[in-house]
Amino acid sequence: AQKVTQAQTEISVVEKEDVTLDCVYETRDTTYYLFWYKQPPSGELVFLIRRNSFDEQNEISGRYSWNFQKSTSSFNFTITASQVVDSAVYFCALTGPNTGNQFYFGTGTSLTVIP
Amino acid sequence: GAGVSQSPSNKVTEKGKDVELRCDPISGHTALYWYRQSLGQGLEFLIYFQGNSAPDKSGLPSDRFSAERTGGSVSTLTIQRTQQEDSAVYLCASKPPGQGHNEQFFGPGTRLTVL
Repeated sequence: AQKVTQAQTEISVVEKEDVTLDCVYETRDTTYYLFWYKQPPSGELVFLIRRNSFDEQNEISGRYSWNFQKSTSSFNFTITASQVVDSAVYFCALTGPNTGNQFYFGTGTSLTVIP
Repeated sequence: GAGVSQSPSNKVTEKGKDVELRCDPISGHTALYWYRQSLGQGLEFLIYFQGNSAPDKSGLPSDRFSAERTGGSVSTLTIQRTQQEDSAVYLCASKPPGQGHNEQFFGPGTRLTVL
């Protein structure tokens, strides 16, 4: 079974604070792909990152960083020095060759950055 | 280039009426997905097309929901005899050819309100 869990429903931080959004996944596949998407108030989901299951290197892109740990089945997302523009709903997703091309999304974490 | 487009952006209808929602994927994208997002909820998978065929219809919530795709491009999601619980944002996404690791590109969604 494929499943993505985002236990944090809502998070509020004050601007310039760091914040980590958790994502835990379940899959029986040895090859799979993980994603993060951002959904700002305008509503359109924006792709942030894709990670292959065989590449456990952490990635940093500006203020964003991702920590992929297969041992704990987690793919957490950290925003450093948060800004008001980071306020959005963030979704973690999973897909793979054995999911029939279906993407499994978590329920999302709503992040509010307070000025 | 042009992204995924959806029309209408907003639709208000009366209970019991039929509605059609349209999705124009990115040119050349072979896979197309429909999702439903209820207020404050995550993404609920509805149906997936590979070309014109729909290998996975498992997410359609009832037989009032149907979808088709013609010419490997435009897709229409039809909801018959709408109910108030059908009120949601309907999101369409497309994906380029290749393995499952390609990210999806989302449209802006159609907000459906059933009175």
